[in-house]
Amino acid sequence: DGGITQSPKYLFRKEGQNVTLSCEQNLNHDAMYWYRQDPGQGLRLIYYSQIVNDFQKGDIAEGYSVSREKKESFPLTVTSAQKNPTAFYPCASSMTGAEEQYFGPGTRLTVT
Amino acid sequence: GQNIDQPTEMTATEGAIVQINCTYQTSGFNGLFWYQQHAGEAPTFLSYNVLDGLEEKGRFSSFLSRSKGYSYLLLKELQMKDSASYLCAVRVAYSGAGSYQLTFGKGTKLSVIP
Repeated sequence: DGGITQSPKYLFRKEGQNVTLSCEQNLNHDAMYWYRQDPGQGLRLIYYSQIVNDFQKGDIAEGYSVSREKKESFPLTVTSAQKNPTAFYPCASSMTGAEEQYFGPGTRLTVT
Repeated sequence: GQNIDQPTEMTATEGAIVQINCTYQTSGFNGLFWYQQHAGEAPTFLSYNVLDGLEEKGRFSSFLSRSKGYSYLLLKELQMKDSASYLCAVRVAYSGAGSYQLTFGKGTKLSVIP
């Protein structure tokens, strides 16, 4: 089955630790995206990548880093510089930047 | 920047019709999307409008007026499983870079009651 996978669904970390969230797709999509969602809020774009080995900052990139070494994978690292990392993190992909985005199940990160 | 407004919450009765409105102010408009998001889950794509008019897809329809910066999502024959948040998202094209971004509204939480 084609789709987007994110694991784990729930992730717990101590403050001051970096943590990497995975996002894998087998849809042969060129573009991939990372969003953050806080309770009662809309999705906010962290980073996006339209092609392998290239990515751009979104609206709230500070404290996050990404890589896009393979078409299928777009991992997100939440660094200790991110002041309020506890949130829901869904990633998405689209055929190209001009097509509709499809979302993975998301990872809920809790940092204490 | 972009500004997207939609009602925070709505309640409707099973079997009825509900219209969820979305207004937006943006430059570089390149399409409007509606997504459904059940509690604790990621959004799922519902509809896409880039030209003015109505797009119908089963029980769901979406309308766009670009001149008014206005869209609505119409849900017919409401079912209990339609209880979810409905997110309006505007796509903006950045010329020269060939890139696009989606900006999401905060979502409308719809509760369907018996």
